[in-house]
Parts: sequence; C-alpha cells; structure tokens
Amino acid sequence: DTGVSQDPRHKITKRGQNVTFRCDPISEHNRLYWYRQTLGQGPEFLTYFQNEAQLEKSRLLSDRFSAERPKGSFSTLEIQRTEQGDSAMYLCASTLGTGGRYSNQPQHFGDGTRLSIL
Amino acid sequence: KQEVTQIPAALSVPEGENLVLNCSFTDSAIYNLQWFRQDPGKGLTSLLLIQSSQREQTSGRLNASLDKSSGRSTLYIAASQPGDSATYLCAVRPRLESGGSYIPTFGRGTSLIVHP
Repeated sequence: DTGVSQDPRHKITKRGQNVTFRCDPISEHNRLYWYRQTLGQGPEFLTYFQNEAQLEKSRLLSDRFSAERPKGSFSTLEIQRTEQGDSAMYLCASTLGTGGRYSNQPQHFGDGTRLSIL
Repeated sequence: KQEVTQIPAALSVPEGENLVLNCSFTDSAIYNLQWFRQDPGKGLTSLLLIQSSQREQTSGRLNASLDKSSGRSTLYIAASQPGDSATYLCAVRPRLESGGSYIPTFGRGTSLIVHP
C-alpha cells in the first residue's frame, strides 16, 4: 500500500493558462474524490468517481473544470483558463466502496497539489 | 444544508494535558463522521471513523464520541505530545433515503499546538 499520490505537488502558472493534475489512488480502491481547500477552510467537495463513472459533481465545479478517470484507476483534474480564485490546494482521496451509494470505509487522502495563479 | 462547526478554532496547551476538541453539525441524518489530522502543507490523515449507529471509537490515545441526537462529536486526546500539533478536522456524511447528494461536509478544523 503506497498510499494516494498526487502530481505535481506545486504548480505556479499565469492567469489564463490551463493546468492538469493527476491522482493515483490506492490500487484496490474503486472510489475517488477531488476536493479543493483554501487557507483556514476545510476541504470542499468537487467531484466523485466510482470506477470510471463520474457520479457526482459539486456546483463549485464550473465548466472550466473537468475530471476524468478513464480506466477506473488514476484520475486527472483539468482547469482551463485559470483565474486568481482558483488558487488553492487540490486534494484527492480514495476509498473502497463496499456497496450501494455509501461507503463505511475511511477516506485516504494524498498530499495535494498546491496551485498558485500569478 | 448541513453545516459543520468546530470549536475552538485554535488551541495551545502544554505537553501532557488531556484535550477535548468539539465538532457540531446541524442535520442529524448522518451516515458516519470521520476525524482527520492535517499537518501544514499536507493532505488529511484519517484518525477515527464513527458509524451513525456507534457511540464512540478509540485508537491509542484518541477517543471519539458521537451523539447524533444533539448533533455533536468530540475528539479526546489523552496525554498530549508536541507531535500531536496539527489541525484536526471532522467530516460528516449524509444519510439519504434515496437519490440526492452524497457530498461530505467538513468543518474548518481546530489548530492545535502542544508545546514542550
């Protein structure tokens, strides 16, 4: 068990550029989540996958954001035309869903990708 | 809409003290509640998960309790150590009869400093 890994750890880019983050969940975990966290706040849910299916998206996820999990393993989160307000820590978490819409297994988080928009 | 509040926002204590961190939530229709630890610049580490049918969970020096009817959970840390310094967050998952949202709600966390 190597844990959840995220790449890159830090990303600095100019406003208007596109960025893509990658998350590799724990290998046997079928559920994957993306969150955004700003300083002094708790994580805010962005989207959730079960295997390759994107099952829920937050209203926070504007049309500039897109997430994929094409083979049910790693996931990517892309932000197009970045804005100052996109500066945040982007966290990925995974868990083993044991059935239905609910999981009574704990979420395991990666160390996040910190995005800074100049 | 579920709201999760953590009190206090910050806490500084000498080593060895026993601590209680509080988490309150407005909607008692929850599936489970999870406590996390977050070190600066890092992701979240799961500490304890309490199912809605449980009253408490223990792991080492940590004990988490859940009172669903009053919308409260507490995290008790015994004999605190400098290595316990971190931000502690709680997260609540909703219980839904059918359909609806599955979004977990986090509190803002309690920032803990344990000084030698």
